[in-house]
Amino acid sequence: DTGVSQNPRHKITKRGQNVTFRCDPISEHNRLYWYRQTLGQGPEFLTYFQNEAQLEKSRLLSDRFSAERPKGSFSTLEIQRTEQGDSAMYLCASSAGTGAYEQYFGPGTRLTVT
Amino acid sequence: QKEVEQDPGPLSVPEGAIVSLNCTYSNSAFQYFMWYRQYSRKGPELLMYTYSSGNKEDGRFTAQVDKSSKYISLFIRDSQPSDSATYLCAMEGWGLTGGGNKLTFGTGTQLKVEL
Repeated sequence: DTGVSQNPRHKITKRGQNVTFRCDPISEHNRLYWYRQTLGQGPEFLTYFQNEAQLEKSRLLSDRFSAERPKGSFSTLEIQRTEQGDSAMYLCASSAGTGAYEQYFGPGTRLTVT
Repeated sequence: QKEVEQDPGPLSVPEGAIVSLNCTYSNSAFQYFMWYRQYSRKGPELLMYTYSSGNKEDGRFTAQVDKSSKYISLFIRDSQPSDSATYLCAMEGWGLTGGGNKLTFGTGTQLKVEL
């Protein structure tokens, strides 16, 4: 069990560019979550997958954000036309079973939009 | 008003002290209560979770939940400098926006244990 991994760890991009992040969950975890964390705040829920199905999206997730989890394994989060307000740590978590209470987080991808 | 309130600190204690960290919440639908530890620029690490009211102990850590008061606590005994981190409380249940499949976090309390 190698834990949740995320790539890249850091991303610096110019406003208006598109970025994509990848998350590899703990193997055999059927649930995968994306959160966003800004400085001094706790993580905020963005979206959730059970296997390959995206079952819930937060109102924080604007139309510029899209997430996928093809084949129920790794997931990608894409942000189109980035804005300075998108600068944050993007965290991925995974859990097994039917509950969301035992989520294990990856190291995060820190995005800086200049 | 936020669903989960947590004093951001910072909290500074001497090595060996007992630390008490707390959160209050407003949504009575929360059923699971978690504590995460987060070191600077790292992802949160799950310390422990508790279902409904009661206590749970794991080594130097004890979690308490009082659903009647909507109040949860994490106690750290014999605190060490390596415990210096931000501690986040998190809860699962049906939030204001519905859905029982996400965690709602507090803002985190920054703890520093000094030699």
